Amino acid sequence: NAGVTQTPKFRILKIGQSMTLQCAQDMNHNYMYWYRQDPGMGLKLIYYSVGAGITDKGEVPNGYNVSRSTTEDFPLRLELAAPSQTSVYFCASGRLGSNTGELFFGEGSRLTVL
Amino acid sequence: GENVEQHPSTLSVQEGDSAVIKCTYSDSASNYFPWYKQELGKRPQLIIDIRSNVGEKKDQRIAVTLNKTAKHFSLHITETQPEDSAVYFCAADDLGNLIFGKGTKLSVKP
Repeated sequence: NAGVTQTPKFRILKIGQSMTLQCAQDMNHNYMYWYRQDPGMGLKLIYYSVGAGITDKGEVPNGYNVSRSTTEDFPLRLELAAPSQTSVYFCASGRLGSNTGELFFGEGSRLTVL
Repeated sequence: GENVEQHPSTLSVQEGDSAVIKCTYSDSASNYFPWYKQELGKRPQLIIDIRSNVGEKKDQRIAVTLNKTAKHFSLHITETQPEDSAVYFCAADDLGNLIFGKGTKLSVKP
């Protein structure tokens, strides 16, 4: 199993541009999450999904959108990128909810907005 | 909502010493408390977790203790080794999701 795969690993955006971070998992997990990690600030939940067709907001959803059309894929869309969205983004999945079992993280996507 | 405070933010120990990282949480309804380790440039990985019906859990050199009355939990690493150097995050569940602490950067000096 590849686990959780994120692309791209690095990206530089100009202010106002849009992009999609891709996330795919091959473990047949129902639960998927997007976190952002800022230096010294831990992990903040952006959006999550408990299954295909179901998504919900986390702590810091503003400026982002997600979709979950299949169990495997959970892309994160950034519209009108802003410098405040410069961060490392982690996608994660879990067989159970994050409040009951292990989360498996991708390698991260480092995004810089200039 | 839940709030998780983690201390210290940095910790430096000599190889072979013990390290303790402490976290407090605000929501007494939280029932699940995992710890994740993140090596430099790598993804976070679960190292140990504890549920509210248990006071202590051990796995080789690492242990976690939970005091539900005081709403705090701690990670204990004994006989530290250089490969223990990493950032450690505690977390607590909040309405089905995890709220993470800000992390502790542990440095183990050989």
